[in-house]
Amino acid sequence: AQSVTQLGSHVSVSEGALVLLRCNYSSSVPPYLFWYVQYPNQGLQLLLKYTSAATLVKGINGFEAEFKKSETSFHLTKPSAHMRDAAEYFCAVSGRGGADGLTFGKGTHLIIQP
Amino acid sequence: ETGVTQSPTHLIKTRGQQVTLRCSSQSGHNTVSWYQQALGQGPQFIFQYYREEENGRGNFPPRFSGLQFPNYSSELNVNALELDDSALYLCASSAGTLGETQYFGPGTRLLVL
Repeated sequence: AQSVTQLGSHVSVSEGALVLLRCNYSSSVPPYLFWYVQYPNQGLQLLLKYTSAATLVKGINGFEAEFKKSETSFHLTKPSAHMRDAAEYFCAVSGRGGADGLTFGKGTHLIIQP
Repeated sequence: ETGVTQSPTHLIKTRGQQVTLRCSSQSGHNTVSWYQQALGQGPQFIFQYYREEENGRGNFPPRFSGLQFPNYSSELNVNALELDDSALYLCASSAGTLGETQYFGPGTRLLVL
């Protein structure tokens, strides 16, 4: 069985500051890992995806995430926060079988202070 | 390229009724997955359809059922609605099942009274 834990239901940073959203996963097989963003009243948009090609994954809007197998982590970072980054962020894991769908964390609400 | 679309956008039903939600997959995608997102929670996997067959299911009762059509569009049917079925229902399409990126539609918000 797979699971995802996102530490911190709410994270607040100042505009221009570093963004760090934490994600730890549990999977019995090497996983695919994803970060999605959800703006109010919208569906989910893919930020980035880890597929084992490289441990540091670059995504859209300046976000990146690093896969650390020893820590079973896939934390999301952005060097400098913008007001437009305020949204809900979800980490998700997919097993190699694929047919189990994505298992999501509970989400982290990112607040950007002006 | 047309993205994933869902209809209707909002729906209000009463307990015990039945509902059908619809999803059109992105061009070139043969796999559709459905998720339920309760308020303040992450999406939960309901089931997945690949080439018109259900090939994976989450922890949802049989009153949640679905279909996929030859053009790979899909329906989610929920019978005997309960108050706890109130949620945002998300459809996602992908170009396969093995770790392929899932692209999500805007969702259908269902309210059960």
